[in-house]
Amino acid sequence: SAVISQKPSRDICQRGTSLTIQCQVDSQVTMMFWYRQQPGQSLTLIATANQGSEATYESGFVIDKFPISRPNLTFSTLTVSNMSPEDSSIYLCSAQRGNDSPLHFGNGTRLTVT
Amino acid sequence: QKEVEQNSGPLSVPEGAIASLNCTYSDRVSQSFFWYRQYSGKSPELIMSIYSNGDKEDGRFTAQLNKASQYVSLLIRDSQPSDSATYLCAVVYLSLSGNTPLVFGKGTRLSVIA
Repeated sequence: SAVISQKPSRDICQRGTSLTIQCQVDSQVTMMFWYRQQPGQSLTLIATANQGSEATYESGFVIDKFPISRPNLTFSTLTVSNMSPEDSSIYLCSAQRGNDSPLHFGNGTRLTVT
Repeated sequence: QKEVEQNSGPLSVPEGAIASLNCTYSDRVSQSFFWYRQYSGKSPELIMSIYSNGDKEDGRFTAQLNKASQYVSLLIRDSQPSDSATYLCAVVYLSLSGNTPLVFGKGTRLSVIA
């Protein structure tokens, strides 16, 4: 399985600021996805990070709020922009080697917005 | 709408007993199913994959799939206190963009009592 490094592991940010989360996979993967897990809830897909093109966002998530980059097959970033307390959550990077394959997750970024 | 349903629990079982976790899904065309274990404060960890109808065994874990009834289950034999965690059912779905992210259930919290 892929080893996924995500940073920062946690951060406390002020309202109105932005945070960029980095995700590095130890080998080339086909797909990378970003999920959010709010306290006591399950995982919600934010977007698919497409290599070399714009990310594909799920309903309720937009590029202006969650810009995503994926410059190559092993690295992606997620930015949480203009943060509000409602953005406080765990953000998880995941990687998939091929269609219909399981996802493997990074350790997550625990974000608190004050 | 892609939905994955699980009983949130908590499910309490005595040490050494069999824990049975169930999951139903709404998308008839789904072909790949996964069980993840998530300890508090940690990211999800893959424990089982299943793609065909029937049973699949791996150590103390058995996954069962019935595509006609659209349900998948996980049995944990000889439950141990270390099995206490939230178990997430996940189903692959084919998005409009052709990607195959996972949709997660809300998870069942399992507590194994020593």
